[in-house]
Order: sequence, then C-alpha cells, then structure tokens
Amino acid sequence: RKEVEQDPGPFNVPEGATVAFNCTYSNSASQSFFWYRQDCRKEPKLLMSVYSSGNEDGRFTAQLNRASQYISLLIRDSKLSDSATYLCVVNRLDTGRRALTFGSGTRLQVQP
Amino acid sequence: DVKVTQSSRYLVKRTGEKVFLECVQDMDHENMFWYRQDPGLGLRLIYFSYDVKMKEKGDIPEGYSVSREKKERFSLILESASTNQTSMYLCASSLTSGGAVEQFFGPGTRLTVL
Repeated sequence: RKEVEQDPGPFNVPEGATVAFNCTYSNSASQSFFWYRQDCRKEPKLLMSVYSSGNEDGRFTAQLNRASQYISLLIRDSKLSDSATYLCVVNRLDTGRRALTFGSGTRLQVQP
Repeated sequence: DVKVTQSSRYLVKRTGEKVFLECVQDMDHENMFWYRQDPGLGLRLIYFSYDVKMKEKGDIPEGYSVSREKKERFSLILESASTNQTSMYLCASSLTSGGAVEQFFGPGTRLTVL
C-alpha cells in the first residue's frame, strides 16, 4: 500500500465550480500535512499546510480527518488559473521528520 | 525569496556516462533533497542531507550517490547512467525545525539517457 494515495483524475470542471480532492495516508503517527501545487512542467510549490482544526485561505479550504486518515482540499469558485496538479504531502517519521512523502497528485483542469 | 537553482534544465547523456547534477540554494537551509519524478509514481526521494558532509539514503538510492561539501550546494551523481534513469530530477531545500517544514524546489532537470 502506498504511504499517500490520491485519485489521479483528471477532474474536469467548469469555471466557478466547487471541486474537492481527497487523499489518504497510511501511517497513523504522521503529524504534518500539506497540499502542494505543481503546474505543468514546473516545480511543486506549497499551497497550504493542513491543520487539525481545518484551515482556509481564500477560496481554498483544507481539512484533516485523523480518525479516517484522510486529508481533503476544497476549491470554491474555480478559476482557469487553478488548473494544475495538486500533491498531497505527509511528513516522514523515519528521517527525523525532515523529509516528506508526496502523493502522485490529482490533476485539475478548469474549463471556460 | 528562497531560490533553489539547478545546473541544467535539460540534459542528454549516453548509457554508461557519469552524470553530475548540481543544486544550489541561497537561504542557508540545513536540509537538501534530491527527488526524481516519473508519471504515475510521483516524487520519490533519492537522497537527502541535513548538514555538510552528511547524507542519508532515501527510497531509491541505487545507482546514485551524492556530495555535500558546502552548505549551499548538493550534488547528485549518476556513476554510470542507464536508460531507466531517464527522468525529471528535482532538488529541494528546507530549514530544520521541530517538525516538517516547507520544502522549496528548484526548476528541475529533465535527464534523458540514450
């Protein structure tokens, strides 16, 4: 079983739609969670951290469910510029928590 | 802004060649990482370093070695390149803190081994 699993998509949604991605992780002791965004042929960049109480940044909302070991990302009022691959990321416990494990990513395509 | 640079955006090498990929960061980060990214497999950690001259194996170290002689520079070496090492190579750096922190990535090197 992969440490971090995501639906690869693609999710094709119209502009203005609300879209949600889920991600599951296998190690219940994981402590730090993130969503990264990767544009086509570009490097990944941090989108937001995911906190236990849930957090929001503009149109983006991240949630953590420790009991079920999943993380979600909700994007409201989708823009064309949101088209990208979204990577679910969890800290690794075997590296002094320095390293991260990346999911394979969920591709989002927002259409006009 | 943190800046992570990689020596080449595109590289074409022949089987058996020794290949050096260089990564430099300008924010005095302790940790540096090398990943490869392949379709459907995501980012896989090859090696990382948490201090000068220190290195730790990641998930797929076979066929690779690394060097960190200066804090700002982390090199990935393919001792004898093979076709299955054709991939996108990404370098990243981060600070050390009590927990995992943001990693900043370089633009990547797309390596093709013929």
